[in-house]
Formats: sequence, structure tokens, C-alpha cells
Amino acid sequence: QQQVKQSPQSLIVQKGGISIINCAYENTAFDYFPWYQQFPGKGPALLIAIRPDVSEKKEGRFTISFNKSAKQFSLHIMDSQPGDSATYFCAASKRDNFNKFYFGSGTKLNVKP
Amino acid sequence: EAGVAQSPRYKIIEKRQSVAFWCNPISGHATLYWYQQILGQGPKLLIQFQNNGVVDDSQLPKDRFSAERLKGVDSTLKIQPAKLEDSAVYLCASSSLVIRGHEQFFGPGTRLTVL
Repeated sequence: QQQVKQSPQSLIVQKGGISIINCAYENTAFDYFPWYQQFPGKGPALLIAIRPDVSEKKEGRFTISFNKSAKQFSLHIMDSQPGDSATYFCAASKRDNFNKFYFGSGTKLNVKP
Repeated sequence: EAGVAQSPRYKIIEKRQSVAFWCNPISGHATLYWYQQILGQGPKLLIQFQNNGVVDDSQLPKDRFSAERLKGVDSTLKIQPAKLEDSAVYLCASSSLVIRGHEQFFGPGTRLTVL
């Protein structure tokens, strides 16, 4: 059973536009939701993360929106830039000592200049 | 702070051969993870260590994959014998709940091609 489902698989956005990537999770025990950014040939790097006690978290041009009742969360990239072109992964975990992450399948973002 | 180190970066082998990957986590990180990332998919956890003990190896194909973390620091992941479907990027990550909470830090990965 896939614990975290991510969509779309790929996304093309014009420079200056808004990129939106969605994730849905199954396990209501999850309470930590990070987004990772991965460039070709590199490992994933943490972009932004949220806990379920807030509905939104913003860091610069990146915002996570969280809907606990729907078990969904999304990443919004405002004023998208060509340098944002990468693969984005959502993940979910429980805040326990095991810190096991369940990753989505990834979204390849291409921002056209 | 030095990041997670992995070697080699690339490896090409024939099927049925053996291969080993090495990972050195961030200093002080007690938890170490090995992930398999097949092209176009998200990372899949193979094995998780807490210090030198295994916490989760439920997704590790134990008939061909093995991993160890001696002395609770660096780790090796071995595949013996390799199959075509093992072609993937193998990512190592580390974390410390004490130092940086739940963030996992990833190395650059080892890209394995099995011919």
C-alpha cells in the first residue's frame, strides 16, 4: 500500500508562474511532512517542512498548505524560476524515535524561461 | 558541517556480479538510512540503522542484499549477486533527532548500472 501519493508526475510552468504539487497520505499518525528538492546527480535536500498543528507554512517563495481533514498537503512555488527546475518529493513520517520517511513518487518540474 | 559522503559515485557491473557501496554519515548522527531510488520513482527505504543496530530492514531483499554499520559510524551496502532490476541510485542518508530533529540529510548517491 502506497502511504503517500503525489501528483502530477511532471509539470511545466512558465517563468514567473505558480507551480503547485499535491500529496495525499493515508496514515493519520503521520505528523511531519517535508518536501525535498532533488537536482540531477544530487541527493534530495530538504526544502520546507510542516507539522499538522498549522495549516500553512511559508519560506520565501515556497509555501506548504496542509489540510488535515482531507489528509492532503501541497507545495506552492510562487514566481517560479528556471533554477527551480528539479524533481520534488513529498514525504511523511511519525514523530517517533524511528524517523522513518515515506516518500511520494516525485514531480519533475520544468520552468520555462 | 561536512555532508554525507558516498562512494563510488558510479558503478557498472554485469549481472550476477557483486558490488559494495560505502557511506559516511554526518558526524554525530545516530541514524543511518539506505534508500534505493529507481529512475522516475521516490526513494524506497532498504534499511535503517540506529547506531550500529538495525531498526528496519523490512524492504531489504535479504537473499541478495546485506548491510552493516560497524562501530555505529560508516556503513556498507552489498549486493551479491546483482540482478538487472537492481539498476538504480543508492542513496545514503543520516539524521539526528537530538541535533536537527527529523530532517534527513542525503548523500549524492551511487548510480548502479547492471548489464
